[in-house]
Amino acid sequence: GAGVSQSPSNKVTEKGKDVELRCDPISGHTALYWYRQSLGQGLEFLIYFQGNSAPDKSGLPSDRFSAERTGGSVSTLTIQRTQQEDSAVYLCASSLLNYNEQFFGPGTRLTVL
Amino acid sequence: LAKTTQPISMDSYEGQEVNITCSHNNIATNDYITWYQQFPSQGPRFIIQGYKTKVTNEVASLFIPADRKSSTLSLPRVSLSDTAVYYCLVGDTDDMRFGAGTRLTVKP
Repeated sequence: GAGVSQSPSNKVTEKGKDVELRCDPISGHTALYWYRQSLGQGLEFLIYFQGNSAPDKSGLPSDRFSAERTGGSVSTLTIQRTQQEDSAVYLCASSLLNYNEQFFGPGTRLTVL
Repeated sequence: LAKTTQPISMDSYEGQEVNITCSHNNIATNDYITWYQQFPSQGPRFIIQGYKTKVTNEVASLFIPADRKSSTLSLPRVSLSDTAVYYCLVGDTDDMRFGAGTRLTVKP
């Protein structure tokens, strides 16, 4: 079956612009996670959703970052007024339930010029 | 928050058994221990998960002592294709922290 998909695969933007990153989880997966990975670094947890709700948003780096999930499926991560330090690969994962295996998407490589 | 500590890097040779240990002194009662593997330019891939004692699957074994303050991922007879970053993840979905991982390099 289809795995986790993310779009766009690559995004180049200018400093100060807003960007939207999309994640389509595996159908039926109730949990959805966003991570960020800078070059050569480990994964940084951003936020997770259980259904449409996000119990913990403390991983978001600043108030320029926001995320939503509608219909218990697609999620959008929005970064407002992008900065060069936002450049990274943004990974999305989904799982059937808490504690279960997370399936990762291919990521979106964001470059802020 | 159950912080994890892993070696930054490890080297091995083809055919050897590799053991990567992760320390998690503040593990909570509800926390599971999960290991992921990540190749360059790819998202992490689940390897194994456990709560206590020993878990084995077709690719690895996970050893967890009774106090659960550490865990060891064991990869039998590694090959060049096992060169990757391995992450130890402890927690529940309220606070998932991957950490820096262990970069394993398998040499011929």
